[in-house]
Amino acid sequence: NAGVTQTPKFRVLKTGQSMTLLCAQDMNHEYMYWYRQDPGMGLRLIHYSVGEGTTAKGEVPDGYNVSRLKKQNFLLGLESAAPSQTSVYFCATRTSDGNEQFFGPGTRLTVL
Amino acid sequence: AQTVTQSQPEMSVQEAETVTLSCTYDTSESDYYLFWYKQPPSRQMILVIRQEAYKQQNATENRFSVNFQKAAKSFSLKISDSQLGDAAMYFCAYRSRGGTYKYIFGTGTRLKVLA
Repeated sequence: NAGVTQTPKFRVLKTGQSMTLLCAQDMNHEYMYWYRQDPGMGLRLIHYSVGEGTTAKGEVPDGYNVSRLKKQNFLLGLESAAPSQTSVYFCATRTSDGNEQFFGPGTRLTVL
Repeated sequence: AQTVTQSQPEMSVQEAETVTLSCTYDTSESDYYLFWYKQPPSRQMILVIRQEAYKQQNATENRFSVNFQKAAKSFSLKISDSQLGDAAMYFCAYRSRGGTYKYIFGTGTRLKVLA
Protein backbone atom coordinates (compact mmCIF):
# COMPACT_ATOMS: atom_id res chain seq x y z
CA ASN A 1 0.00 0.00 0.00
CA ALA A 2 2.02 2.93 -1.32
CA GLY A 3 -0.52 5.67 -0.47
CA VAL A 4 0.17 8.78 -2.55
CA THR A 5 3.24 8.80 -4.78
CA GLN A 6 4.66 11.54 -6.98
CA THR A 7 6.93 11.25 -9.99
CA PRO A 8 9.56 12.66 -10.34
CA LYS A 9 10.96 13.77 -6.98
CA PHE A 10 13.27 16.39 -8.50
CA ARG A 11 13.46 18.07 -11.87
CA VAL A 12 15.34 20.94 -13.47
CA LEU A 13 13.87 22.58 -16.55
CA LYS A 14 14.91 25.37 -18.85
CA THR A 15 12.52 28.22 -19.51
CA GLY A 16 10.03 27.22 -22.18
CA GLN A 17 10.34 23.47 -21.70
CA SER A 18 7.33 21.36 -20.87
CA MET A 19 6.84 18.55 -18.41
CA THR A 20 4.20 16.50 -16.63
CA LEU A 21 4.11 15.64 -12.94
CA LEU A 22 2.35 12.41 -12.07
CA CYS A 23 0.42 11.79 -8.88
CA ALA A 24 -0.74 8.24 -8.24
CA GLN A 25 -2.83 6.89 -5.37
CA ASP A 26 -3.91 3.41 -4.37
CA MET A 27 -6.41 4.45 -1.71
CA ASN A 28 -9.43 4.72 -4.04
CA HIS A 29 -9.99 8.35 -3.02
CA GLU A 30 -12.32 10.52 -5.05
CA TYR A 31 -10.71 13.90 -4.43
CA MET A 32 -7.24 14.82 -5.60
CA TYR A 33 -5.40 18.13 -5.32
CA TRP A 34 -2.28 19.81 -6.65
CA TYR A 35 -0.60 22.45 -4.49
CA ARG A 36 2.54 24.50 -4.81
CA GLN A 37 4.59 25.50 -1.80
CA ASP A 38 6.76 28.60 -1.86
CA PRO A 39 8.76 30.12 1.01
CA GLY A 40 6.61 32.36 3.19
CA MET A 41 3.43 31.54 1.28
CA GLY A 42 2.26 28.21 2.61
CA LEU A 43 0.47 25.83 0.26
CA ARG A 44 -1.58 27.26 -2.55
CA LEU A 45 -4.09 25.22 -4.51
CA ILE A 46 -3.41 24.97 -8.24
CA HIS A 47 -6.11 22.59 -9.48
CA TYR A 48 -8.25 19.90 -7.96
CA SER A 49 -10.52 17.04 -9.01
CA VAL A 50 -13.62 15.65 -7.35
CA GLY A 51 -13.66 12.47 -9.40
CA GLU A 52 -12.50 10.70 -12.52
CA GLY A 53 -12.91 12.88 -15.59
CA THR A 54 -13.42 16.11 -13.63
CA THR A 55 -11.05 18.97 -12.86
CA ALA A 56 -11.44 22.48 -11.48
CA LYS A 57 -9.27 25.54 -10.98
CA GLY A 58 -7.85 26.45 -7.63
CA GLU A 59 -6.23 29.62 -6.38
CA VAL A 60 -3.24 29.77 -8.78
CA PRO A 61 -4.11 27.83 -11.97
CA ASP A 62 -2.41 30.00 -14.59
CA GLY A 63 0.36 28.25 -16.51
CA TYR A 64 -0.79 24.77 -15.46
CA ASN A 65 -3.12 22.16 -16.88
CA VAL A 66 -4.38 18.96 -15.32
CA SER A 67 -6.08 15.73 -16.31
CA ARG A 68 -7.82 12.98 -14.36
CA LEU A 69 -8.40 10.27 -16.95
CA LYS A 70 -8.15 7.52 -14.37
CA LYS A 71 -9.34 7.67 -10.78
CA GLN A 72 -5.95 6.75 -9.41
CA ASN A 73 -3.93 9.30 -11.39
CA PHE A 74 -3.87 13.10 -11.41
CA LEU A 75 -1.46 14.73 -13.85
CA LEU A 76 -0.14 18.28 -13.63
CA GLY A 77 1.29 19.74 -16.81
CA LEU A 78 3.47 22.74 -17.49
CA GLU A 79 3.31 23.59 -21.20
CA SER A 80 5.96 26.32 -21.19
CA ALA A 81 7.85 26.49 -17.91
CA ALA A 82 8.77 29.85 -16.41
CA PRO A 83 11.17 30.68 -13.55
CA SER A 84 8.14 31.76 -11.49
CA GLN A 85 7.07 28.12 -11.48
CA THR A 86 10.12 27.10 -9.48
CA SER A 87 8.52 25.55 -6.42
CA VAL A 88 7.79 22.38 -4.50
CA TYR A 89 4.66 20.68 -5.77
CA PHE A 90 2.47 18.50 -3.59
CA CYS A 91 -0.30 16.16 -4.54
CA ALA A 92 -2.95 15.23 -1.99
CA THR A 93 -6.02 13.02 -1.86
CA ARG A 94 -9.14 12.82 0.27
CA THR A 95 -12.12 10.52 0.61
CA SER A 96 -15.52 11.89 -0.33
CA ASP A 97 -16.71 11.81 3.28
CA GLY A 98 -13.43 12.37 5.05
CA ASN A 99 -11.61 15.45 6.20
CA GLU A 100 -8.02 14.39 6.28
CA GLN A 101 -5.86 15.02 3.27
CA PHE A 102 -3.13 12.51 2.47
CA PHE A 103 -0.09 14.10 0.89
CA GLY A 104 2.53 12.79 -1.46
CA PRO A 105 6.24 13.38 -0.77
CA GLY A 106 6.48 16.40 -3.07
CA THR A 107 8.35 17.27 -6.26
CA ARG A 108 11.01 19.96 -6.25
CA LEU A 109 10.99 21.74 -9.60
CA THR A 110 13.56 24.30 -10.64
CA VAL A 111 13.09 26.34 -13.80
CA LEU A 112 16.23 28.10 -15.02
CA ALA B 1 -13.35 34.41 0.94
CA GLN B 2 -11.79 32.64 3.86
CA THR B 3 -8.30 33.47 5.04
CA VAL B 4 -5.89 31.84 7.47
CA THR B 5 -3.18 33.84 9.22
CA GLN B 6 -0.15 32.58 11.11
CA SER B 7 1.59 35.64 12.48
CA GLN B 8 4.65 33.88 13.90
CA PRO B 9 7.11 32.97 11.11
CA GLU B 10 9.43 31.31 13.62
CA MET B 11 9.29 30.09 17.21
CA SER B 12 11.80 28.46 19.54
CA VAL B 13 11.23 26.24 22.53
CA GLN B 14 13.51 24.49 24.97
CA GLU B 15 13.31 20.71 24.98
CA ALA B 16 10.67 19.46 27.49
CA GLU B 17 9.02 22.88 27.64
CA THR B 18 5.64 23.93 26.27
CA VAL B 19 5.06 26.12 23.23
CA THR B 20 1.94 27.58 21.65
CA LEU B 21 1.61 28.35 17.94
CA SER B 22 -1.01 30.88 16.90
CA CYS B 23 -3.51 30.75 14.06
CA THR B 24 -6.40 33.06 13.28
CA TYR B 25 -8.86 32.75 10.47
CA ASP B 26 -11.61 34.70 8.87
CA THR B 27 -14.87 33.21 7.63
CA SER B 28 -18.56 33.97 7.47
CA GLU B 29 -19.43 30.29 7.73
CA SER B 30 -20.61 28.66 10.92
CA ASP B 31 -19.56 25.11 10.21
CA TYR B 32 -16.07 24.14 9.14
CA TYR B 33 -12.98 22.17 9.99
CA LEU B 34 -9.61 23.34 11.22
CA PHE B 35 -6.34 21.45 11.02
CA TRP B 36 -2.73 21.62 12.08
CA TYR B 37 -0.21 19.96 9.79
CA LYS B 38 3.45 19.29 10.53
CA GLN B 39 6.10 19.38 7.83
CA PRO B 40 9.51 18.06 9.00
CA PRO B 41 12.67 18.47 6.90
CA SER B 42 11.64 15.36 4.93
CA ARG B 43 8.90 17.57 3.39
CA GLN B 44 6.18 15.04 4.16
CA MET B 45 2.97 16.73 5.36
CA ILE B 46 1.61 15.03 8.46
CA LEU B 47 -1.76 15.73 10.07
CA VAL B 48 -1.24 16.63 13.72
CA ILE B 49 -4.73 17.43 14.91
CA ARG B 50 -8.21 18.22 13.63
CA GLN B 51 -11.04 20.28 15.11
CA GLU B 52 -14.65 20.38 14.00
CA ALA B 53 -16.17 23.80 14.53
CA TYR B 54 -19.47 22.52 15.87
CA LYS B 55 -17.66 20.72 18.69
CA GLN B 56 -16.95 22.96 21.65
CA GLN B 57 -14.47 20.57 23.20
CA ASN B 58 -10.87 21.23 22.25
CA ALA B 59 -9.18 18.42 20.36
CA THR B 60 -6.18 16.66 21.87
CA GLU B 61 -3.70 14.13 20.50
CA ASN B 62 -1.17 13.02 23.08
CA ARG B 63 1.19 15.99 23.63
CA PHE B 64 -0.68 18.15 21.12
CA SER B 65 -3.80 20.10 21.99
CA VAL B 66 -5.65 23.06 20.56
CA ASN B 67 -7.32 26.11 22.03
CA PHE B 68 -10.29 26.71 19.75
CA GLN B 69 -12.01 30.05 20.28
CA LYS B 70 -14.80 30.16 17.70
CA ALA B 71 -16.02 33.67 18.47
CA ALA B 72 -12.50 35.05 18.28
CA LYS B 73 -11.74 32.88 15.21
CA SER B 74 -8.60 31.62 16.85
CA PHE B 75 -7.11 28.14 16.69
CA SER B 76 -3.81 27.80 18.52
CA LEU B 77 -1.72 24.65 18.87
CA LYS B 78 -0.06 23.77 22.15
CA ILE B 79 2.82 21.32 22.20
CA SER B 80 3.68 20.01 25.65
CA ASP B 81 6.93 18.35 26.67
CA SER B 82 8.57 19.44 23.41
CA GLN B 83 10.90 16.94 21.79
CA LEU B 84 13.66 17.38 19.24
CA GLY B 85 11.49 15.54 16.72
CA ASP B 86 8.87 18.27 16.98
CA ALA B 87 11.13 20.64 15.07
CA ALA B 88 9.32 21.34 11.81
CA MET B 89 7.15 23.77 9.89
CA TYR B 90 3.59 23.84 11.22
CA PHE B 91 0.69 24.85 9.01
CA CYS B 92 -2.80 25.79 10.09
CA ALA B 93 -5.55 24.97 7.57
CA TYR B 94 -9.28 25.58 7.11
CA ARG B 95 -11.94 23.70 5.18
CA SER B 96 -15.63 24.42 4.81
CA ARG B 97 -17.88 21.63 5.99
CA GLY B 98 -19.90 21.52 2.80
CA GLY B 99 -20.03 22.85 -0.71
CA THR B 100 -16.42 23.65 -1.48
CA TYR B 101 -13.66 21.11 -1.54
CA LYS B 102 -10.76 23.41 -0.96
CA TYR B 103 -8.42 23.70 1.96
CA ILE B 104 -6.90 27.06 2.81
CA PHE B 105 -3.48 27.03 4.42
CA GLY B 106 -1.66 29.59 6.49
CA THR B 107 1.90 30.61 5.70
CA GLY B 108 3.41 28.39 8.37
CA THR B 109 5.44 28.69 11.57
CA ARG B 110 8.91 27.20 11.79
CA LEU B 111 9.43 25.61 15.20
CA LYS B 112 12.93 25.13 16.51
CA VAL B 113 13.50 22.89 19.51
CA LEU B 114 16.62 23.66 21.54
CA ALA B 115 18.45 20.89 23.35
